[in-house]
Amino acid sequence: EAQVTQNPRYLITVTGKKLTVTCSQNMNHEYMSWYRQDPGLGLRQIYYSMNVEVTDKGDVPEGYKVSRKEKRNFPLILESPSPNQTSLYFCASILSLSEGRVSEAFFGQGTRLTVV
Amino acid sequence: QKEVEQDPGPLSVPEGAIVSLNCTYSNSAFQYFMWYRQYSRKGPELLMYTYSSGNKEDGRFTAQVDKSSKYISLFIRDSQPSDSATYLCAMKTSYDKVIFGPGTSLSVIP
Repeated sequence: EAQVTQNPRYLITVTGKKLTVTCSQNMNHEYMSWYRQDPGLGLRQIYYSMNVEVTDKGDVPEGYKVSRKEKRNFPLILESPSPNQTSLYFCASILSLSEGRVSEAFFGQGTRLTVV
Repeated sequence: QKEVEQDPGPLSVPEGAIVSLNCTYSNSAFQYFMWYRQYSRKGPELLMYTYSSGNKEDGRFTAQVDKSSKYISLFIRDSQPSDSATYLCAMKTSYDKVIFGPGTSLSVIP
């Protein structure tokens, strides 16, 4: 079954304590991305990766890091979390977005992070 | 002005109605246009995807893109209670930066 798996689903942490949210896809997709979703603001892209060892900033990258050492994994790292990073986070995996090609886009189930 | 604007709703319609969901945008570099559906407590799922201007139909769903007006629409015919969800438009430049609208909440009343 094609899927994107995020862990953990729920996390409460304290300010400044480094954490990692993992994301794994089993579809051999090239493109992966992290989003945060906040009420009234919709989904905002944090970082994306077009392939292994290729990452780029989205709209709200401050305070986050990512890595793409393997095609299937795209972890999101918060080196020093702060309360304004309390949000619902989604990882997404997309086969391709190009003219004429059928695209597959899958989102994980989400990680609800609370930073106190 | 936000790059992508979308009426947040909530929108409530009776079963069987035609629903029109709309987004406007300001960045003329957007070339790929997508609609996602998100049920409560779930991740978004891709509904429709179009490249540049034009229409695309898939069952009860029709996506329209008017690049000259910087306006996209999603039409749902014969709406069903199972269509009740939040609908997100999303747009992408050729450089792979994806921008989402804030979403429109839709309720279809039986």
